[in-house]
Amino acid sequence: EPEVTQTPSHQVTQMGQEVILRCVPISNHLYFYWYRQILGQKVEFLVSFYNNEISEKSEIFDDQFSVERPDGSNFTLKIRSTKLEDSAMYFCASRQPQGANQPQHFGDGTRLSIL
Amino acid sequence: ILNVEQSPQSLHVQEGDSTNFTCSFPSSNFYALHWYRWETAKSPEALFVMTLNGDEKKKGRISATLNTKEGYSYLYIKGSQPEDSATYLCALTNTGNQFYFGTGTSLTVIP
Repeated sequence: EPEVTQTPSHQVTQMGQEVILRCVPISNHLYFYWYRQILGQKVEFLVSFYNNEISEKSEIFDDQFSVERPDGSNFTLKIRSTKLEDSAMYFCASRQPQGANQPQHFGDGTRLSIL
Repeated sequence: ILNVEQSPQSLHVQEGDSTNFTCSFPSSNFYALHWYRWETAKSPEALFVMTLNGDEKKKGRISATLNTKEGYSYLYIKGSQPEDSATYLCALTNTGNQFYFGTGTSLTVIP
């Protein structure tokens, strides 16, 4: 069964550095999402992406964050000038476009640790 | 921000017991409710997508109901097995593009 894949599985970065988290969604999916989960807290929506542009974004997704689909297969989340509070699990998800009945398919996540 | 609540936060049941837990959400502007099963060190796995008031969905021993007028969904597990141990998440969307997750119910099935 096709899967959403995320790399790396664990990223350790110094505070202030930039990180890029990578995701390869399922190939025939057209909606893409990024979520994060800070340890012990809820899964939080960051952004959704469709037709090469952001559909919706949460208040968490400020100017520090950006997303890109550079080559038709990868879907990346860039975090500029990382802060300690950016430490979290980051999940990518994708889904087919046919209406509300389609579930999201999640990757295994990237654990981001900011030192 | 839409507040999605799940209860209980955690649950321990004996193998063979049936159990259920609740997802509560604001009933206005409802579009869809998703249930996910999330095992430790794995990715959340979609169980059900529910869109219509009164929906009932079933997958093996797991079923779910939806009441959009009063803003809740129940997930039932019949005859719990140790492999059912996981966190069960619900997520609400009112647009199809932004999802609000509950905190999850952590289920442990004791053999």
